Amino acid sequence: QVQLVQSGAEVKKPGASVKVSCKASGYTFTGYYMHWVRQAPGQGLEWMGWINPNSGGTNYAQKFQGWVTMTRDTSISTAYMELSRLRSDDTAVYYCARDTVPMGFGANGFDPWGQGTLVTVSS
Amino acid sequence: QSALTQPASVSGSPGQSITISCTGTSSDVGGYNYVSWYQQHPGKAPKLMIYDVSNRPSGVSNRFSGSKSGNTASLTISGLQAEDEADYYCSSYTSSSTYVVFGGGTKLTVL
Repeated sequence: QVQLVQSGAEVKKPGASVKVSCKASGYTFTGYYMHWVRQAPGQGLEWMGWINPNSGGTNYAQKFQGWVTMTRDTSISTAYMELSRLRSDDTAVYYCARDTVPMGFGANGFDPWGQGTLVTVSS
Repeated sequence: QSALTQPASVSGSPGQSITISCTGTSSDVGGYNYVSWYQQHPGKAPKLMIYDVSNRPSGVSNRFSGSKSGNTASLTISGLQAEDEADYYCSSYTSSSTYVVFGGGTKLTVL
């Protein structure tokens, strides 16, 4: 079955960087955009951007441009999201989520989702 | 302040139908058919329930349906069940630099 498995929880100090991985299985990794969405504690969902695993092309929400980097390694069907210059308000659960339509518009819907990675930023 | 507006909470009794609204603008909900809906139980990842306004992914109950009129999209759940109690989020493509926006979420309580 289609599955996304993310790396484990991280604790970082302000100003540091974090890199979260998302390993895909059960489908052709290069056939679907991969999105990253975060959710601060008790808050709603916030879209960060997507990566086209086939070309490596990216599309970041303006808020995160210059601050987030999304990459992939097609040999191991894994996508990565690196966030730099962390602040306390970056404390959140970070999710990867596959687009539901193969190489569609890039905003059709997100399915499935990874289990989430809690990133805690604290001094 | 979320870009899309949802009611904070809705409730219904088992067997009833409820509708959750999601209001945006002509730059997002009203201008494109890229509205999706997600169900999230506490401590769990969101689950896609509806995509492209009204399409249901394989495996999602036909008790869930989506529609859109103007700048407002709606998720209707018929035959409410206890397991439907969760938070629901809408999402849409937007022509702004944000690209994808979410609603603030609606807590559904099954009485």
